Amino acid sequence: GAVVSQHPSRVICKSGTSVKIECRSLDFQATTMFWYRQFPKQSLMLMATSNEGSKATYEQGVEKDKFLINHASLTLSTLTVTSAHPEDSSFYICSAKPGHPNEKLFFGSGTQLSVL
Amino acid sequence: DAKTTQPNSMESNEEEPVHLPCNHSTISGTDYIHWYRQLPSQGPEYVIHGLTSNVNNRMASLAIAEDRKSSTLILHRATLRDAAVYYCILFTNDMRFGAGTRLTVKP
Repeated sequence: GAVVSQHPSRVICKSGTSVKIECRSLDFQATTMFWYRQFPKQSLMLMATSNEGSKATYEQGVEKDKFLINHASLTLSTLTVTSAHPEDSSFYICSAKPGHPNEKLFFGSGTQLSVL
Repeated sequence: DAKTTQPNSMESNEEEPVHLPCNHSTISGTDYIHWYRQLPSQGPEYVIHGLTSNVNNRMASLAIAEDRKSSTLILHRATLRDAAVYYCILFTNDMRFGAGTRLTVKP
């Protein structure tokens, strides 16, 4: 079945550095990808919707200059956390939406970001 | 805001059926109902989805109310590996998750 590959699975960085997370759809074209963040014991919080070839749509309260999303191809979307701070430490998950709602959403395995 | 509401938690005994409810009273005629589950430190995985008719697959069954304002995920025989957070979401342009139901399975 279709797979979404998300890398890295875990990253530890120093405060002030930038971190890039990649999300690839391995055997299908994903015109739309979603980025979520999740704190312990909480649900997934939608950060942004990414459409191939256009600017991402960010949810209210999500800083677009801090969380840079690029969806340059139909198989790759990236999330860059710029100038990371300890409060950005979280579990980040991407998902790829197929073209028809009668198809399932595919999720990456998540990235645990720890900012020291 | 999420368009679905679910109980925060449920418990089940191993090898017994489990019925996980979901309310989606604002559903529109073209919204598919999807269910996913998430194990700790993993991305969610697909369970089942449907539009109007009840659906069955190897993992579960989905019962959809006639007015489509609610649905129920049915695990026919719960196992310890079914312990997870179960999310019911409407497949729309934005895929927002509600709080989900944390299922505990007791041996």
